[in-house]
Amino acid sequence: EAQVTQNPRYLITVTGKKLTVTCSQNMNHEYMSWYRQDPGLGLRQIYYSMNVEVTDKGDVPEGYKVSRKEKRNFPLILESPSPNQTSLYFCASGPGTNYGYTFGSGTRLTVV
Amino acid sequence: SQQGEEDPQALSIQEGENATMNCSYKTSINNLQWYRQNSGRGLVHLILIRSNEREKHSGRLRVTLDTSKKSSSLLITASRAADTASYFCATDNPNSGYALNFGKGTSLLVTP
Repeated sequence: EAQVTQNPRYLITVTGKKLTVTCSQNMNHEYMSWYRQDPGLGLRQIYYSMNVEVTDKGDVPEGYKVSRKEKRNFPLILESPSPNQTSLYFCASGPGTNYGYTFGSGTRLTVV
Repeated sequence: SQQGEEDPQALSIQEGENATMNCSYKTSINNLQWYRQNSGRGLVHLILIRSNEREKHSGRLRVTLDTSKKSSSLLITASRAADTASYFCATDNPNSGYALNFGKGTSLLVTP
């Protein structure tokens, strides 16, 4: 089944403790992206990648890192999480422009 | 950054009625997409309309695009309770590869 898999689905962590949210797609898509969704703010793009070793900042990249060492994986790294990074995070992938994107099921992160 | 803005923010209708949602955006685009999100879940791609298209249909969905007004509309005909969800428009930016920017969404409630 074609899908984008995010893990974990839920995560509660403490301020400053490094964490990684994994994202993997099995569709050989070139494009992958991370979004965060907050009430009243909609979806905001954190980082995106157009291919292996090619990443770029979205609208809200501060406090996040990403890497794209393999085509299928695009992990989101929070080196020192803070409470304002409490949010619902989505990973998405797509074959390129003029195509729709496939989203993962989301990761609900709480930083206390 | 470029971002679509949906209108209205919330819409409540009865089953069988039509639902119309609008989206406005700010700069030129390659395409505009509509997505649906059931509460707290991942977004699902509904339909994509290219900048050189004016109207597109998919089942009970009809999308229009007016590039001169930088606006789009999504019409759901003969709505069902299962259509209850949030609907988002998303636009790409020709100057930033595949980056996709979302609006804040329209929350649709369809009551039996």
